[in-house]
This record gives sequence, structure tokens and C-alpha cells, in this order.
Amino acid sequence: GENVEQHPSTLSVQEGDSAVIKCTYSDSASNYFPWYKQELGKGPQLIIDIRSNVGEKKDQRIAVTLNKTAKHFSLHITETQPEDSAVYFCAASKGTGGFKTIFGAGTRLFVKA
Amino acid sequence: GAVVSQHPSRVICKSGTSVKIECRSLDFQATTMFWYRQFPKQSLMLMATSNEGSKATYEQGVEKDKFLINHASLTLSTLTVTSAHPEDSSFYICSATPGLPSTDTQYFGPGTRLTVL
Repeated sequence: GENVEQHPSTLSVQEGDSAVIKCTYSDSASNYFPWYKQELGKGPQLIIDIRSNVGEKKDQRIAVTLNKTAKHFSLHITETQPEDSAVYFCAASKGTGGFKTIFGAGTRLFVKA
Repeated sequence: GAVVSQHPSRVICKSGTSVKIECRSLDFQATTMFWYRQFPKQSLMLMATSNEGSKATYEQGVEKDKFLINHASLTLSTLTVTSAHPEDSSFYICSATPGLPSTDTQYFGPGTRLTVL
């Protein structure tokens, strides 16, 4: 079955620096890749997603890139702020038809002021 | 848009009792709802998938008689933890997919912290 690996497990950056989180997936049929941000004691919040027909997507300080050949995708956060501190999860899905969304193990991001 | 609520946010119960958790999609109709369990500092573990009006599909290892799921309408799904025990203490999170424009985008609720004494 599908497996999603996420690195690093912990990431500490200085405010204003960039943060990059990387994920790899195993099932080449996966075609939808969302990223979620989870703050302590809360549910995950969708922050950006990308589909397999697109190589890059950007939304203000957040961008996601996808390399279908290598089967990996990355989250890029620029100009990090303390409020970006949270756990970030990547995920992969084959879309509709009852296919599960597989989540990575999560990355705990600390942004130091 | 795409707001999902859960109730209650926290619940403490005695061992042997049952607890019901509600998940509602507030501004859309959810074709599918999911229930996850999350242990501290771990990822999301899918428990079951439910579609309105049909029986839930449980993941391997999840006891369907212990975790009862009812998806009575397109905006409401409930998870009942029956005869709860301390090992059932966890953070339970639901999610819902709106169907349109995307059938695979999941929107999560805020979670329910269950503590079984």
C-alpha cells in the first residue's frame, strides 16, 4: 500500500528564515497532495494542496513543489513567523473511489523570535 | 467556507460508560466523513470512513462494535465509544469531504479530547 515518509521530524528556524519540509510517497498512482498545519490541541488545518498535473503552487509565503518522477513533494515557508510554529503533516491520496489519504508522520516546526 | 465542528471538545468519563462525539459540516454537505484517532506526538490514524445512509468502513484492527459510527445525514456523523476504558483515552478528530469541487479534499474538525478514568 501507499507509504508517505516525511522529513525532518523536527525543524527549528530563526524568525524570518525559510523552512522546508520534504515528503516522499510510494504509490505512483497518487495524484493529490495536501498539507496540513496542526496547532497544539486543535484539528489539522488545510494550508495548501497540489495535484499531480501541476509542478508548483504558491499562496503568499507558502509554496509546494511536486516531482512526480521522483515521487516527492515539498512545503516551503518563507519569512517564517513565530505563529508558523506548529506540526505540519503532508499527505497523499489517489483521489475518489474510496482511496484513503495517507499522512506523513509530521514535522514539528519551531520558529524562534 | 468548509467548516467542520465537533462536540464536545473535551469529555471525561468513567470506565465502562459510553461517550458520543458529534461531527458536523456547517456550511457544506459532506459526501464522506472520516474518523481519526491521534496519540500524543503522533500522526493521524484513520479509524473508519462513513458515507451518509450506509454502514461505515472500518480500518483493520478497529473494533466496529466498540466504535459505533452513525452517518444519519449529509451534515452529521457521530462516533460512540462504547464501554470506554482508559486505553481509549485519546484525541479523536473527524474530517469531511464536500464532494464539490473536490471529492478528495478533507476538512478537519477541532478534535475531541477523551479521557477515561
